[in-house]
Amino acid sequence: KNQVEQSPQSLIILEGKNCTLQCNYTVSPFSNLRWYKQDTGRGPVSLTIMTFSENTKSNGRYTATLDADTKQSSLHITASQLSDSASYICVVSARDSNYQLIWGAGTKLIIKP
Amino acid sequence: NAGVTQTPKFQVLKTGQSMTLQCAQDMNHEYMSWYRQDPGMGLRLIHYSVGAGITDQGEVPNGYNVSRSTTEDFPLRLLSAAPSQTSVYFCASSYESERFPYEQYFGPGTRLTVT
Repeated sequence: KNQVEQSPQSLIILEGKNCTLQCNYTVSPFSNLRWYKQDTGRGPVSLTIMTFSENTKSNGRYTATLDADTKQSSLHITASQLSDSASYICVVSARDSNYQLIWGAGTKLIIKP
Repeated sequence: NAGVTQTPKFQVLKTGQSMTLQCAQDMNHEYMSWYRQDPGMGLRLIHYSVGAGITDQGEVPNGYNVSRSTTEDFPLRLLSAAPSQTSVYFCASSYESERFPYEQYFGPGTRLTVT
């Protein structure tokens, strides 16, 4: 069964610190992997989209990595800011099932001053 | 550009009532979709459309209808509301279906409570 699992479920860090969020998936055959940021009460906003051939992709202070062999991805946030407090969701697209997206449950990140 | 807009923001229904959640986008996107988000779970696809006049079912379509008469609008109808449909509903649009890695744009959501 195609699944996406994220860890940790929640994380609290101090402002200015770095953190890494994990995503493991069992989706096959793989098409692409996306990371979204969802602020409380808002819709998800795309951070990165990575295809099979991409190992690393950055968007400002956000860097996503992808290891298609181990079916793992991570999202690294550098020099965290209070505005980074949000849920971060990993989403994987399979090349079958009409390419529908399989959504993880998200990691809730809280940045404390 | 307003992006993806949804109305209403909040809605309370009694069991058995019907209603329509509105979604509109002004980016000329062909692909639109409806999701529901429940606590502790990933978003689940309800219905999607690859263009005007074409709709299809997603993972959890029961109890919902959609239509796509124009590129811009993609309303979601709840036929007879049930407490299990209490959720936050998101509409999204994209240039193409998920087959291509185009960015999806989400609306602000509609928080629905069915009593």
